[in-house]
Amino acid sequence: EPEVTQTPSHQVTQMGQEVILRCVPISNHLYFYWYRQILGQKVEFLVSFYNNEISEKSEIFDDQFSVERPDGSNFTLKIRSTKLEDSAMYFCASSEQGRDYEQYFGPGTRLTVT
Amino acid sequence: RKEVEQDPGPFNVPEGATVAFNCTYSNSASQSFFWYRQDCRKEPKLLMSVYSSGNEDGRFTAQLNRASQYISLLIRDSKLSDSATYLCVVDTGRRALTFGSGTRLQVQP
Repeated sequence: EPEVTQTPSHQVTQMGQEVILRCVPISNHLYFYWYRQILGQKVEFLVSFYNNEISEKSEIFDDQFSVERPDGSNFTLKIRSTKLEDSAMYFCASSEQGRDYEQYFGPGTRLTVT
Repeated sequence: RKEVEQDPGPFNVPEGATVAFNCTYSNSASQSFFWYRQDCRKEPKLLMSVYSSGNEDGRFTAQLNRASQYISLLIRDSKLSDSATYLCVVDTGRRALTFGSGTRLQVQP
């Protein structure tokens, strides 16, 4: 069964550093998303991406965040200058045309900012 | 008022029991409804979409009441492997899922 994959599984970085989280969505999916989950809290929407542009973004997704689809398979989330409060699990998700309301999640990247 | 509200539990039930979870949502513009399950420190996994007519998938039955803005999930014949956190999720059609905080289920032998 096709799956969303994410790398790395765990990233430790110092405050103020830039990080890039990588995702490979399911191959025939056209809609891509990033969510985050702070430990002990609920999953929160960050951004959705379709046709090489952002479709929706939440108020969490400020100027420190950016997304990119650099090639035909990868989808990345960049945090320009990390803060302690960015520590969370970051999940990538994707959905297919025609069933785009059903989103499938990757295993996540645990980001720890020290 | 929380956008999606769930009883956090935990629900501790014996194997074979029937258990029901409820969820309410505040945004009447919500169009799509789902139940996801999440195991500890893992990703949310889509369990089922929820339709107005109600739908069933094996031991799982989901119901939606748009008038009351209420979603339910019924699990029959609980298995040990059903132990997880069950997340109620809604979408207003923007494809930006709004998650509840989840209801924890522990099925005991």
